[in-house]
Amino acid sequence: EPEVTQTPSHQVTQMGQEVILRCVPISNHLYFYWYRQILGQKVEFLVSFYNNEISEKSEIFDDQFSVERPDGSNFTLKIRSTKLEDSAMYFCASGGSLLETQYFGPGTRLLVL
Amino acid sequence: AQKVTQAQTEISVVEKEDVTLDCVYETRDTTYYLFWYKQPPSGELVFLIRRNSFDEQNEISGRYSWNFQKSTSSFNFTITASQVVDSAVYFCALSEAVHYGGSQGNLIFGKGTKLSVKP
Repeated sequence: EPEVTQTPSHQVTQMGQEVILRCVPISNHLYFYWYRQILGQKVEFLVSFYNNEISEKSEIFDDQFSVERPDGSNFTLKIRSTKLEDSAMYFCASGGSLLETQYFGPGTRLLVL
Repeated sequence: AQKVTQAQTEISVVEKEDVTLDCVYETRDTTYYLFWYKQPPSGELVFLIRRNSFDEQNEISGRYSWNFQKSTSSFNFTITASQVVDSAVYFCALSEAVHYGGSQGNLIFGKGTKLSVKP
């Protein structure tokens, strides 16, 4: 069964460093999303991406964040200068269309020290 | 504005008990989708069910059942004869219909209910 994959599973970084979180969506999906979950809290929407551009973003997704689909398979989330409060689990999700279910990857647990 | 409320923060039951997880949602849209996801201790989000706003039929899948009531804006989830493996955090989520210049299908999650099933 096709699945969304994410790398790395865990990342520890120093405050101020740049991190890139990688996702490989399900191959025939066209809509891609990033969500985050601060430890013990709810899952929050960050950004959606379609046709090589951002289609919607939340207030959390400020100028420190960017997304890219550098090739036909990867979908990345970059945090330019990490802050302590960026520590969270980051989930990638993909869907075949806007009306279809989003399937989530296993997440990347980011710890900013 | 859209919102999902899961009033039960934590529930603890003994194996074989039935348990119902509550979900109440708010939306101005007439077309929307409701979801339940399971998050086991390992952390991943596992899709359980998706319902659209025009389909109020209750659904049963094995020990799981869902009760969708538009009149009370609720989408409750019942686990029958709970098992230890059901221990997880369960999230209810809402996705509104796609609007030009607006919602593009992103999910709005509730805060989750942590279910502990003891042997």
